[in-house]
Amino acid sequence: DTGVSQDPRHKITKRGQNVTFRCDPISEHNRLYWYRQTLGQGPEFLTYFQNEAQLEKSRLLSDRFSAERPKGSFSTLEIQRTEQGDSAMYLCASSLARAPDTQYFGPGTRLTVL
Amino acid sequence: AQSVTQLGSHVSVSEGALVLLRCNYSSSVPPYLFWYVQYPNQGLQLLLKYTSAATLVKGINGFEAEFKKSETSFHLTKPSAHMSDAAEYFCAVSPVLSQGGKLIFGQGTELSVKP
Repeated sequence: DTGVSQDPRHKITKRGQNVTFRCDPISEHNRLYWYRQTLGQGPEFLTYFQNEAQLEKSRLLSDRFSAERPKGSFSTLEIQRTEQGDSAMYLCASSLARAPDTQYFGPGTRLTVL
Repeated sequence: AQSVTQLGSHVSVSEGALVLLRCNYSSSVPPYLFWYVQYPNQGLQLLLKYTSAATLVKGINGFEAEFKKSETSFHLTKPSAHMSDAAEYFCAVSPVLSQGGKLIFGQGTELSVKP
């Protein structure tokens, strides 16, 4: 068990650019979650997958955001036409479907939009 | 809708003193409740969880929390603070009937431990 990993750990981009983050869950975990954490706040749920199916999306996930988990393993989160308000820590978590109450979090990707 | 409120964004205690971090929840259905800890530049680590079994839940690093339905509270305690306990602590709720397991977090409480 190598834990949940996220790449990159830090990303600085200019407003209007597209960015993509990757999350590798714990290998046997079939559920994968994305959360966003802004400075001084708790994480906010964005979306989750069970295997390759995206089962729930928060209204926080605007049309500029898209998440995929094509083979039911790693996931990507893409933000198009970034805005300064997108600056945040993007956290990924994974769990077993039979134990969604035990989520393991990755270290996060910190995005700064200039 | 489910929500949690953490009372006090900053708590400071002396090393060896009692730690008490407060969390109140709002839920129309029986909730699952959690406490997570976040160290600087790291992800969240689960301290403990309540899933409708025993109301007094023991977690890692000597922390425990008690579910009180009548007070809609789930406060986190530790009898004796250690310098290594300094971190951000988050209370979270997840409705039992939710199949997704998404977590709804409070705003967090930063714990400082003075020597």
